[in-house]
Amino acid sequence: DQQVKQNSPSLSVQEGRISILNCDYTNSMFDYFLWYKKYPAEGPTFLISISSIKDKNEDGRFTVFLNKSAKHLSLHIVPSQPGDSAVYFCAASRDDKIIFGKGTRLHILP
Amino acid sequence: EADIYQTPRYLVIGTGKKITLECSQTMGHDKMYWYQQDPGMELHLIHYSYGVNSTEKGDLSSESTVSRIRTEHFPLTLESARPSHTSQYLCASSEGWYNEQFFGPGTRLTVL
Repeated sequence: DQQVKQNSPSLSVQEGRISILNCDYTNSMFDYFLWYKKYPAEGPTFLISISSIKDKNEDGRFTVFLNKSAKHLSLHIVPSQPGDSAVYFCAASRDDKIIFGKGTRLHILP
Repeated sequence: EADIYQTPRYLVIGTGKKITLECSQTMGHDKMYWYQQDPGMELHLIHYSYGVNSTEKGDLSSESTVSRIRTEHFPLTLESARPSHTSQYLCASSEGWYNEQFFGPGTRLTVL
């Protein structure tokens, strides 16, 4: 049973536009949420996170929104750049463990 | 910048061989983790450690074993590799309240 779901396997966005990656979770006990970015043949790298007591966190071009009532979070990237093409993993944390989603492959089109 | 290393990066071996995947970090982190990931799938936690002489099994059952004799070193061993062990193995470490984990580059294992 997947506790963290990324229902879009892939997403294509024009360069300069906004990329929106979505994630749903089922366990209301998660207290921290993270986004990781992964290039081929590399390990995931941490991108941005949000505590369950907040609804928004912003870091440069990246903003994460959390809707606890809907058990939904999203990552906004604006403006999208070619280097943003990668696989993005949503993750949720509880008791020092992280549960990952399956990832969404983001393609930034020229 | 995170300093966590994994060797080898790629490994192709025959069934029945014993292998050890190495993971080292220079950040002094107490917590270390091993994940297994198949293409297009989520990362599954197979082992973790909260410090020296501490090891626990993760959420995904694995025939591998780990040890933590030194803070910086967290090797994973498969006593007898099988084709079902073919996967990517990712090592990570973390320290701190918010559990941000730093990942190594991974080892892609193929068992023939």
